Amino acid sequence: GAGVSQSPSNKVTEKGKDVELRCDPISGHTALYWYRQSLGQGLEFLIYFQGNSAPDKSGLPSDRFSAERTGGSVSTLTIQRTQQEDSAVYLCASSTPGTGYSYEQYFGPGTRLTVT
Amino acid sequence: AQRVTQPEKLLSVFKGAPVELKCNYSYSGSPELFWYVQYSRQRLQLLLRHISRESIKGFTADLNKGETSFHLKKPFAQEEDSAMYYCALRPYSGGGADGLTFGKGTHLIIQP
Repeated sequence: GAGVSQSPSNKVTEKGKDVELRCDPISGHTALYWYRQSLGQGLEFLIYFQGNSAPDKSGLPSDRFSAERTGGSVSTLTIQRTQQEDSAVYLCASSTPGTGYSYEQYFGPGTRLTVT
Repeated sequence: AQRVTQPEKLLSVFKGAPVELKCNYSYSGSPELFWYVQYSRQRLQLLLRHISRESIKGFTADLNKGETSFHLKKPFAQEEDSAMYYCALRPYSGGGADGLTFGKGTHLIIQP
């Protein structure tokens, strides 16, 4: 079946502009995650959704970052007033959480954001 | 807060040689540990998890709670193993769906 999809695949924006990144999870997956992969920083957890609610926003780096999820499906990550340090690959993942240890995250191809 | 350390940014070995990618973690509770792999131009994908105690593509990893390590091993490397490998940790909260904490990754290159 179809995997996690993300759009756009590449985005170049000017410093100070707002950007929206989209994630379509695997159908039926109730949990959705956003990560950021920066040069030299590895993968950083940003936010996680269970259904439409976000019980864990601990990884959002600043209040310029926000995310929402509607209908328990598509999610949008918004970065306001972009800065050059926001340049990174933004990865989305989804999973069907079970109880305890039953758990696997499936990753999308990522959106490469470049802030000039 | 939890932390995952992969001390080697780059590891180069010859085909047929043994491979060991190191991973150490710090977490006060009971973690779940994973290895993820990203082949060139492909998505990040799960390779194996400690709870499964299985061998995938010849790779194994044992959780050593005493040494807080989860090293990835393969006895005979193959050229197709060349990829970026990430060790990851999930705090076990019973809910089954928490964000992962990743190491910075090790780029494994298998030379012919």
